[in-house]
Amino acid sequence: SQQGEEDPQALSIQEGENATMNCSYKTSINNLQWYRQNSGRGLVHLILIRSNEREKHSGRLRVTLDTSKKSSSLLITASRAADTASYFCATDSGSARQLTFGSGTQLTVLP
Amino acid sequence: DVKVTQSSRYLVKRTGEKVFLECVQDMDHENMFWYRQDPGLGLRLIYFSYDVKMKEKGDIPEGYSVSREKKERFSLILESASTNQTSMYLCASSLGPKTQYFGPGTRLLVL
Repeated sequence: SQQGEEDPQALSIQEGENATMNCSYKTSINNLQWYRQNSGRGLVHLILIRSNEREKHSGRLRVTLDTSKKSSSLLITASRAADTASYFCATDSGSARQLTFGSGTQLTVLP
Repeated sequence: DVKVTQSSRYLVKRTGEKVFLECVQDMDHENMFWYRQDPGLGLRLIYFSYDVKMKEKGDIPEGYSVSREKKERFSLILESASTNQTSMYLCASSLGPKTQYFGPGTRLLVL
């Protein structure tokens, strides 16, 4: 079942601008992750934030988590054409071993 | 680096054929997953396995079966392929309920 909903579905920006993508989910979570998928390829893990964390950074990535609103955002700063990809959030809950993925945001960074 | 490989990148089959999709991981991960990905629908979990010879249904198991005879290998079987099983199939593995490592995907076309 789709727990996460990404917003927007598609985003187009110029190189050098910041890109912000949002994810909302429905149930309590243990962790929230963001993945990236280049066209026609598998997903690659970007960053994980635990439910007791509010913000996390990794290079040009900044993730925030608001458990009261059941939402997360992924910020990519100083975007590059190579950041063009689909971005998915994924959550895990309770004792489940599997993740539930959102529907994804397609980011296009124009050179 | 974790490596997850899938037996084919592209596959063309005829309706009614039995189709085997193979996935192998080299990091001794306990959990393995099969997803299908369709435009606008995100990733949907077909089956997963948390141990050898163990399997659990995901969200859309109908028309599929799986086999896990060895820890490193997880096979997805389409008993009688149908055109509505034309899709991108993604395999993933993980140690726990956190980071999943994905293969490059198999794009299956059923004619």
